[in-house]
Amino acid sequence: KAGVTQTPRYLIKTRGQQVTLSCSPISGHRSVSWYQQTPGQGLQFLFEYFSETQRNKGNFPGRFSGRQFSNSRSEMNVSTLELGDSALYLCASSQPRAPYEQYFGPGTRLTVT
Amino acid sequence: DQQVKQNSPSLSVQEGRISILNCDYTNSMFDYFLWYKKYPAEGPTFLISISSIKDKNEDGRFTVFLNKSAKHLSLHIVPSQPGDSAVYFCAARRMEYGNKLVFGAGTILRVKS
Repeated sequence: KAGVTQTPRYLIKTRGQQVTLSCSPISGHRSVSWYQQTPGQGLQFLFEYFSETQRNKGNFPGRFSGRQFSNSRSEMNVSTLELGDSALYLCASSQPRAPYEQYFGPGTRLTVT
Repeated sequence: DQQVKQNSPSLSVQEGRISILNCDYTNSMFDYFLWYKKYPAEGPTFLISISSIKDKNEDGRFTVFLNKSAKHLSLHIVPSQPGDSAVYFCAARRMEYGNKLVFGAGTILRVKS
C-alpha cells in the first residue's frame, strides 16, 4: 500500500506571497492532519480534516487554511507569507477508528525569504 | 503550556544494550499515546502506541510502558542497533479532539557500534 505523499517536497517563496501544499493520504484513510515543524516550536498541530470537514484546528492565525476533497486528498494554504512560516510542513493520515496511529508523509520544506 | 515533555534532549547507548526513552505528560485526559522515530528531512515514522487502559505494549524490540498515576511513559528498545539512531518523539491524543496529536520536543538517540 502506498504511503502518504506530499507535493512539492521543497519550496522557496518570498515574504507576502501565498503558497499551497498538497497531500495524498494512504488509500482508505479519511482523516488528514497537518503539522508544522520548526526548530523552536517543535511539531505543532495545524488542523485536521475528516470527510471534507475541518474537525480540529490548532493555534495558528487565519492565514493558515486547508481543505479536503471527496477523494480525501487535502491541501493547505498559507497566505501573506512571513519569514517565520519557514518550516517543514507535515501531513498525516489515519483511519477514523482504533488504532489511531497517524502515518506521516515526507513533508514539504518551505523557505520564506 | 507544554503538555507532553521529553526532558532528555539526547541519549547515547552502546549497540546491543537497552535504550530507554522517557516522556511525561500533564493532561490526565489523554487516552492514547504514541511513539514516533524521525530522521532528518523525513516525516515521523510510527513505532508503537498504547491505550490509556493498558500499562504495557510490546512489538518486537520495542516496548512501551505507561504509568498513569505518575503520568509517565517510556519506550524501551532492546537490543539497540545503530540504525535506531534518530530523533524519537512521544505524542498524546484526547478522543474528543479527534486525531490531534500533542508532541514532545523529542530525544536524539545515538547508538554507538
